[in-house]
Amino acid sequence: DTEVTQTPKHLVMGMTNKKSLKCEQHMGHRAMYWYKQKAKKPPELMFVYSYEKLSINESVPSRFSPECPNSSLLNLHLHALQPEDSALYLCASSQPSSGTNEQFFGPGTRLTVL
Amino acid sequence: SQQGEEDPQALSIQEGENATMNCSYKTSINNLQWYRQNSGRGLVHLILIRSNEREKHSGRLRVTLDTSKKSSSLLITASRAADTASYFCATDGISNTGKLIFGQGTTLQVKP
Repeated sequence: DTEVTQTPKHLVMGMTNKKSLKCEQHMGHRAMYWYKQKAKKPPELMFVYSYEKLSINESVPSRFSPECPNSSLLNLHLHALQPEDSALYLCASSQPSSGTNEQFFGPGTRLTVL
Repeated sequence: SQQGEEDPQALSIQEGENATMNCSYKTSINNLQWYRQNSGRGLVHLILIRSNEREKHSGRLRVTLDTSKKSSSLLITASRAADTASYFCATDGISNTGKLIFGQGTTLQVKP
């Protein structure tokens, strides 16, 4: 299985809502990533988990809260978001032992904040 | 911070023609990777070239790397309408942070 899955595909939420994005991979990868991508822009790294520990937080606002319950799952908890947080949220995974940082991406969650 | 720059920003060609995209970067790298993204979808890894390699081929893809100029190019030969997508270069730095630094991307349109 060489697939990274993300749910939901689309999410519309109000600024007072709490929601979560989910990501799953069964490739045995031990690094997982959250990216935010605006239209016509490259992905922007938000968080990196390596061996289930948060290793990089790119100064992301606290209204985004990542969680890595186990080596296959990655969540992004959302609370009190702003309309400018509307974007495509991409999850990716890689195998640190490969030495290449080749990343496998999920299809993304299209988030709209009203 | 994004260190990769790509040109052109947009490219429109006819089916059957070749497409060339260029990428420049700023710091020393372990490898450089190219990804494709169809509209609104996830990125798909296309090809990886290591810092000690100069050229690599995969099917209709040819990648070159010039570490002295800190630049790379991606050539897609005999393009097809299905190649219509955005293409991003991404560098894996030598500091081994686990971060990929993406270029700004080239949007390729292949007209049938």
